[in-house]
Amino acid sequence: GAGVSQTPSNKVTEKGKYVELRCDPISGHTALYWYRQSLGQGPEFLIYFQGTGAADDSGLPNDRFFAVRPEGSVSTLKIQRTERGDSAVYLCASSQSAGVYNEQFFGPGTRLTVL
Amino acid sequence: DAKTTQPNSMESNEEEPVHLPCNHSTISGTDYIHWYRQLPSQGPEYVIHGLTSNVNNRMASLAIAEDRKSSTLILHRATLRDAAVYYCILRALAGGTSYGKLTFGQGTILTVHP
Repeated sequence: GAGVSQTPSNKVTEKGKYVELRCDPISGHTALYWYRQSLGQGPEFLIYFQGTGAADDSGLPNDRFFAVRPEGSVSTLKIQRTERGDSAVYLCASSQSAGVYNEQFFGPGTRLTVL
Repeated sequence: DAKTTQPNSMESNEEEPVHLPCNHSTISGTDYIHWYRQLPSQGPEYVIHGLTSNVNNRMASLAIAEDRKSSTLILHRATLRDAAVYYCILRALAGGTSYGKLTFGQGTILTVHP
């Protein structure tokens, strides 16, 4: 079946611009996660949703970052006033639920470059 | 949060077994030990998880020390496709700051030689 998909695969933007990154989870998965990964580092948690609500947004670095999942399926990560330090690969994952027994399935990521 | 410690890198030859260690001396009684790996230019993928007993699946085996302060991921016959970064991650059974999310460390870079 289809895995987690993310669009776009690459995004180049200029400092100060607004960007939206989209994640399509595996059908039926109620939990959806966003991570970002800088070069040479492990992925860093940003936020996760259980259904439509954000269950844990403790990883969002500041108020320029926001994510939504209005219908409990597709999610959009929104970054306002982008900075060069936001350049990273943004990974999305989904799982049947957030419990410890459920593995997370990751998408291929969106590579964001802020010039 | 309980932390994990892994070697930065390890090397193996193809078709030989590989033992990837992980220390987690501050693990709590309800923390599960999960392993994920990340192949080059891909998102991470789940490998295996366990609580107390050793576990086997089609990808690997997980050996957990009796005191649970360390564990070892075992790849029985390494292939070139197993070259990846391997992450050892603790996940809370319920509640707590490690519930839901995965907290990745630096992981171990495994190089497999032909």
